[in-house]
Order: sequence, then structure tokens, then C-alpha cells
Amino acid sequence: DSGVTQTPKHLITATGQRVTLRCSPRSGDLSVYWYQQSLDQGLQFLIQYYNGEERAKGNILERFSAQQFPDLHSELNLSSLELGDSALYFCASSPTTGKLAKNIQYFGAGTRLSVL
Amino acid sequence: QKEVEQDPGPLSVPEGAIVSLNCTYSNSAFQYFMWYRQYSRKGPELLMYTYSSGNKEDGRFTAQVDKSSKYISLFIRDSQPSDSATYLCATVYNFNKFYFGSGTKLNVKP
Repeated sequence: DSGVTQTPKHLITATGQRVTLRCSPRSGDLSVYWYQQSLDQGLQFLIQYYNGEERAKGNILERFSAQQFPDLHSELNLSSLELGDSALYFCASSPTTGKLAKNIQYFGAGTRLSVL
Repeated sequence: QKEVEQDPGPLSVPEGAIVSLNCTYSNSAFQYFMWYRQYSRKGPELLMYTYSSGNKEDGRFTAQVDKSSKYISLFIRDSQPSDSATYLCATVYNFNKFYFGSGTKLNVKP
């Protein structure tokens, strides 16, 4: 168990809908990362938050947004869903202290999103 | 050009074989390299990380970085059926932009 919790495990919805994925990082980790993993694209970095503030952005669509709350949990909001958004969405957190530690990410079990 | 390229496999080997998994990367500024193992329908778990060039060993696993050729490798000795998984190489830029290879699927046959 990595200590990173993601809910829900599975999500089935229809095109055009909006969903929210939730992530609780490991105790004490201030950084949260979101990734999308699909069969043809591999693991794609979406966005990073550090202690409530957006730190880095990757290939995140404008229809997607995220935030990190004062208790450090994070939510990824996906709107106007399309068939192509069907994928596994992972959250990861990393330790705060130590230079090498910042390069270590602990992943949650993921949320499997199916858009029908 | 993608930041990290990885042969997707699949790679099938008999139990006890030495496995070699490889990636190439594009930016010479990358200095930290990681290998993750991902079992089916699970999140990636960190196996090893290395800094700059050289080798790092941990039990049956050895990670190797050759900065001159921008090549990273993971060797698994005495492979076991429990090693069957997808292996992802990764690197990071500026401590916050992570780039992953597409993963190599490994099957170790008993």
C-alpha cells in the first residue's frame, strides 16, 4: 500500500458529463501530481500542486481542472467528457524534504474512467 | 520527439533468465532517472532511482545510466514469475515535470 488513496475506483459516465476524482496524498506529502494513462498514450503528466498552489502543468486539456485543498487532498475535475477521455487517472504524491526525495513519487491505485 | 522512449515489448522470458529493459531520453539536462513497476490494474510503484551516470544495485535489480548515449537500462537477474509486470522508465526536470516511457510489458514464464 503506497499510502495514496484515490476514489472512486471506477467511474462510468456519458459523453458531455462532468466528474470529480479525488486523491488523498501520503501523510506529510505536500506535492500532488495527476496523470492520465491510456493504452495508446502511456502515462501522461497532467498537473502538479504543492501545498495548495499549482506548481507545474503538463498536457492538461482546458476541460480539465484541479485543485488542492488546505487539508492537502486534491480533486481533478473533468468536464464535457468525450469518449477519448476514457483512461486510468492516477494521483501521486512525493516527499517534501530531501533533494532525492523530491524525485520519488508514490502512486495511488487509480480511478478507471469509462465514458460511454 | 518524446522526452523518453521505451520499447513496448512484450518481452517473454523463462524463469531464471536475465532481463534487460532499456530506454532512451532526449534532453541531456535530465539527471535523475527512475524505474517503476506496474502490475495490471495497479498504480506504478518505484523500483529504483539513479542520479547521473553509473550503476545502482538493489538485490536482483541493477539500474544503469549512460549519459553519453542518453541510455538507461534496468537489469533483472534470476527473473521470477512475480516479476511479470509492465516496467516504466522515467525522468524528471526541475523536480516537478516528470516524463515516463510508454512501458515494457514483461512476462516471466515458470
